Amino acid sequence: ETGVTQTPRHLVMGMTNKKSLKCEQHLGHNAMYWYKQSAKKPLELMFVYNFKEQTENNSVPSRFSPECPNSSHLFLHLHTLQPEDSALYLCASSQDSSNTGELFFGEGSRLTVL
Amino acid sequence: GQQVMQIPQYQHVQEGEDFTTYCNSSTTLSNIQWYKQRPGGHPVFLIQLVKSGEVKKQKRLTFQFGEAKKNSSLHITATQTTDVGTYFCAANSGYSTLTFGKGTMLLVSP
Repeated sequence: ETGVTQTPRHLVMGMTNKKSLKCEQHLGHNAMYWYKQSAKKPLELMFVYNFKEQTENNSVPSRFSPECPNSSHLFLHLHTLQPEDSALYLCASSQDSSNTGELFFGEGSRLTVL
Repeated sequence: GQQVMQIPQYQHVQEGEDFTTYCNSSTTLSNIQWYKQRPGGHPVFLIQLVKSGEVKKQKRLTFQFGEAKKNSSLHITATQTTDVGTYFCAANSGYSTLTFGKGTMLLVSP
């Protein structure tokens, strides 16, 4: 059981579709993150939100659009994706974004782009 | 940007054998964290090391932070099949973003 919940767990979409990934944390944390995990690559940080404000955008293509309406919820809106965007997308949270605390990960959303 | 090199990429051991994974950086690190990801699962935090030369133990797992704070290791004594998974180190220096290593995949045969 994790304090960070991600939906959907699996998603298959075409390159012209628009879909969204959702993340919710029940830990009272102030920072939330999106990571991309591809085979044979390190975990790639995509976005960081601290107290609902985006503090980092790690040169992510504009076809990925994050949204953080409050400290407990984080979305990743997807549109016109490419097959190479197929990966496991992990949401994480931490007390804050100071890099001194542990990250709590959700179970991930496995995305396949056809 | 900062890079964290982790070796080996993969190790297959017999149950009862020991296992070690290493994490190296060319820059001095502020702290280093270790995570475990079971097959099909998500990364789970194991420990954080902050001090130069720090050694911490969790049952059969021993974590070390180098004296120069540029490397770290995770050692598992007498592996069990429940130790199967990928072990990641993650580190940062100063105000840089936490950077993950590629991970070491551990397979344990009974």
